[in-house]
Amino acid sequence: DAMVIQNPRYQVTQFGKPVTLSCSQTLNHNVMYWYQQKSSQAPKLLFHYYDKDFNNEADTPDNFQSRRPNTSFCFLDIRSPGLGDAAMYLCATSRTAGGPDTQYFGPGTRLTVL
Amino acid sequence: GQNIDQPTEMTATEGAIVQINCTYQTSGFNGLFWYQQHAGEAPTFLSYNVLDGLEEKGRFSSFLSRSKGYSYLLLKELQMKDSASYLCAVRDSNYQLIWGAGTKLIIKP
Repeated sequence: DAMVIQNPRYQVTQFGKPVTLSCSQTLNHNVMYWYQQKSSQAPKLLFHYYDKDFNNEADTPDNFQSRRPNTSFCFLDIRSPGLGDAAMYLCATSRTAGGPDTQYFGPGTRLTVL
Repeated sequence: GQNIDQPTEMTATEGAIVQINCTYQTSGFNGLFWYQQHAGEAPTFLSYNVLDGLEEKGRFSSFLSRSKGYSYLLLKELQMKDSASYLCAVRDSNYQLIWGAGTKLIIKP
């Protein structure tokens, strides 16, 4: 089945220790998104790629970086995680960014910062 | 600023009907989405509305009034597995999805 895969599902890191979360998709979608979601809050868009074009949200901290080496893979790098970065990180894809094209989400990576 | 408002929590009885409301104020409108999110899991797509009116999909229906900036999700014949958060999201003029914080729906036997 075509899907969005995220690894790992659970990640524990130490304060200040860099961490990388990965996302892959078999849907061949053009757009890939990274969201941060804290408990009982709306997903917060960090950035997205339309093909290779990177779009950073204005309020995304510099501590968060992303790479999309090819259509299928996208990575979220947190350079120096703080306690406030503990959250669920959701990867999503869509065929395009408009119209009825819905976003399909991976299962998420829950990040714990000690 | 852009804003999506939904009730924080609702409770309903198994077998009953529940309506979850969503009001929005966004810069432009290019469609409204409803997603279901079970605790600790990713959101899954439920419905999409871009024109005024009712879209029916099995036990779930979604309604949109663009002039009122208003939508609702109607769930019929509630089942225990429908206990989840329901998120309303609007695509704005820049094709960005603006998300509500979600409505936690609790189903009681």
